[in-house]
Amino acid sequence: GESVGLHLPTLSVQEGDNSIINCAYSNSASDYFIWYKQESGKGPQFIIDIRSNMDKRQGQRVTVLLNKTVKHLSLQIAATQPGDSAVYFCAENRIGGADGLTFGKGTHLIIQP
Amino acid sequence: DGGITQSPKYLFRKEGQNVTLSCEQNLNHDAMYWYRQDPGQGLRLIYYSQIVNDFQKGDIAEGYSVSREKKESFPLTVTSAQKNPTAFYLCASSMAGTVRGYTFGSGTRLTVV
Repeated sequence: GESVGLHLPTLSVQEGDNSIINCAYSNSASDYFIWYKQESGKGPQFIIDIRSNMDKRQGQRVTVLLNKTVKHLSLQIAATQPGDSAVYFCAENRIGGADGLTFGKGTHLIIQP
Repeated sequence: DGGITQSPKYLFRKEGQNVTLSCEQNLNHDAMYWYRQDPGQGLRLIYYSQIVNDFQKGDIAEGYSVSREKKESFPLTVTSAQKNPTAFYLCASSMAGTVRGYTFGSGTRLTVV
């Protein structure tokens, strides 16, 4: 079964507000986490990643937070724009996992004008 | 430009037919992966290959077959044994032995008619 999941299948936010997308994982052996953005009919695109020895990492308008105590990962998007509308997936890479990444089910972010 | 190319973008299959999805990359990546995506679901691993002439089954390999005769190419055949093949298929590649994320293709949407 999946070891990575998301709390909400759909998240609706107002344009200009901050968005927070959550992900829970169950495999404490995972050492690397990634957030992907997938627009309709396209392949996922890398947004930001974080290693298990970090709690926070910032990119352009995005921040990923990792709480290993409760096995929780979140993606924060600042000042959400219409172009942010997409499905967001978290993924984990397990230590020694030769089969690569394990993906969650995704959260569909909807931007309200 | 380096990248990963999937073709065709749309594919229609009749009942009992085998079809092959193409995936080509010029990124010099060692590892290649095939995922299946159903509506509202995450990505599920079908097959993966870490090196030429070698591949392993993922979580949902039944009804699918692959080959890895060249580093650049990892075609996926959806056989007649796959009873529910209608889905969005994604190919990805990565450098082997790293924990960096993948580069994804733009996907092939397969529909049974």
